[in-house]
Amino acid sequence: AQSVTQPDIHITVSEGASLELRCNYSYGATPYLFWYVQSPGQGLQLLLKYFSGDTLVQGIKGFEAEFKRSQSSFNLRKPSVHWSDAAEYFCAVVGPTGGGNKLTFGTGTQLKVEL
Amino acid sequence: DGGITQSPKYLFRKEGQNVTLSCEQNLNHDAMYWYRQDPGQGLRLIYYSQIVNDFQKGDIAEGYSVSREKKESFPLTVTSAQKNPTAFYLCASRRAPLDNEQFFGPGTRLTVL
Repeated sequence: AQSVTQPDIHITVSEGASLELRCNYSYGATPYLFWYVQSPGQGLQLLLKYFSGDTLVQGIKGFEAEFKRSQSSFNLRKPSVHWSDAAEYFCAVVGPTGGGNKLTFGTGTQLKVEL
Repeated sequence: DGGITQSPKYLFRKEGQNVTLSCEQNLNHDAMYWYRQDPGQGLRLIYYSQIVNDFQKGDIAEGYSVSREKKESFPLTVTSAQKNPTAFYLCASRRAPLDNEQFFGPGTRLTVL
């Protein structure tokens, strides 16, 4: 069964600093990968997705992620964090042949931004 | 504007009562999903439906029921059999079959007293 690991439960960065959130997946073939962001008490918003092709994916709000097959990773990056980026971030995977295209989520990384 | 609506945003119920959470979408999406979110556990799939009048159990379906009588609606009933129903519930939809992206509603926080 596919799984997603986000090893960092909490991360604190200073505003203007760079950010990298880690995500590792377990799946037999090339999965479809997603990063979502959630503000407190809100739904999830898609930041970016990877299905195939270029392994460096650009998303909204200045975020990017890089798919590395050899490391089974899909880390999220941002060169300069803004205070409004404070939120919870979820990595998710769906297998190309999964019934119903079910998403499997990681447990999330809570980002705090210090001013 | 197209999107997914969930109502109510906050819901309180007494233990032992069934409660139904609403999810409506006007995106003309075929597939709909219900997830449960608990602190530190991410999101877990309860039920999903790929077409009208058909649905499948997800990973934690016990104590929940759903129906899909209309394409735009996918209500979730939390029954008295659900041992720990207090949680944040999120509904999502997807434009099947070619698109893998799921769009999420704003969620309903259910508190059972």
